[in-house]
Formats: sequence, structure tokens, C-alpha cells
Amino acid sequence: AAGVIQSPRHLIKEKRETATLKCYPIPRHDTVYWYQQGPGQDPQFLISFYEKMQSDKGSIPDRFSAQQFSDYHSELNMSSLELGDSALYFCASSLAWDRGHPGELFFGEGSRLTVL
Amino acid sequence: LAKTTQPISMDSYEGQEVNITCSHNNIATNDYITWYQQFPSQGPRFIIQGYKTKVTNEVASLFIPADRKSSTLSLPRVSLSDTAVYYCLVGDSGATGFQKLVFGTGTRLLVSP
Repeated sequence: AAGVIQSPRHLIKEKRETATLKCYPIPRHDTVYWYQQGPGQDPQFLISFYEKMQSDKGSIPDRFSAQQFSDYHSELNMSSLELGDSALYFCASSLAWDRGHPGELFFGEGSRLTVL
Repeated sequence: LAKTTQPISMDSYEGQEVNITCSHNNIATNDYITWYQQFPSQGPRFIIQGYKTKVTNEVASLFIPADRKSSTLSLPRVSLSDTAVYYCLVGDSGATGFQKLVFGTGTRLLVSP
């Protein structure tokens, strides 16, 4: 079965550089989420999209932006990178409502960003 | 959004039953309770979801009392491979999708031989 695809899997950047992460949700899923997980920390919600519209924002820095495109893939853009941005970035997709209950989130394998 | 509280860590031995309780005192009428499992450097994985009473699937059971202010994930006969972090999430879809699903501080389960 198709899963959530994230790219790149690993990314190394210098401070103040820009990075773009991509997420390809499971076909027919209408919701995409982005999470940031630092070393030894719990996943932190960044932002979500429902049917290509931003549905909610979490602790996403102003230096970060995200969008969902017409083909439902999503991109997380991070500018002026800081050392503290080094983390695993997970994308998840779901059906907002699945057979009478909220759909489960399916997570990608994550993109590991290292900022030097 | 309902805030959740779980024990920071739990220890168990292979073959034992493990029960992890999550408190969510401010749960809303439409909120569902969902549990996820996460291994190091992997994305969380869905375990089970429920609204009230008891739900059981092939890997776990979820017990939700009538007041829904807490829930208990039950893992029967754990093995070493169940060593992971377990998260309890509370939320609903609303009109515009499953919004702002916040992971609280999960429970780090260590299963020993």
C-alpha cells in the first residue's frame, strides 16, 4: 500500500541557509500535517492543511512557511536556518473523517535536517 | 484542545500486561481518543482509537470510562519489541479537518527480558 513519502530523507545545511522539505500524502487523503521533533523531544505540531487550505498553525516559526499544492503534495520552506532547527521533520496525512470517526494519521519516515 | 497527561516512563517484563493511563480532564463532547506508538527515528504509528467504553483490536485494548476524562491503553503480553514511546492524543475533525493534533509528553515504555 502507498505510504507517505518525504524527501529528502537527510539534509545538511549551514546557518542562515534555506531548506525545502517535500511531502507526498497517501492518495485520496485530504489532510496533511507537519511536525518537528528535536533530539529526545516529543513531536511538535507545526501546521496542517485540509483540502489544500491551511487549517491550523502550531509552534511554527515565522521563518518557516508551508503550502499544499493542487496535487496535494506539501512543502515546508525554512529560511535563515538556525542550529536549533536541526531535527526530524515528519509529515503525516489522513482522511479528516473516515467511516464515522476521525481518520488515523499516517506518518512518513521523516526528513532529518542538520544545521551546521 | 484537551490537554493530556501521561506517566513519563514505565518498566515491564516480557509477557506481562501493560496498562498506560492518560488523563484528559477537558475532553470535549466530539473528541476522540487516539494512541500512537513511536520507535526512535521513526514516525508515530497508530495503535487504537476510541470514543467511549472499550475498543479492542489485534494489538491493544482501549478502556474509556463513562466520564471520558481518562483512558487506558492495555498492551497484552508485551515483548521486547514493544519498547517505545506511547502517545495519547485527543481531538476531533470538526468542520475543516483533524486540526492541530498536539502530541503531549509520551510514556516511555521499557520492556526487559
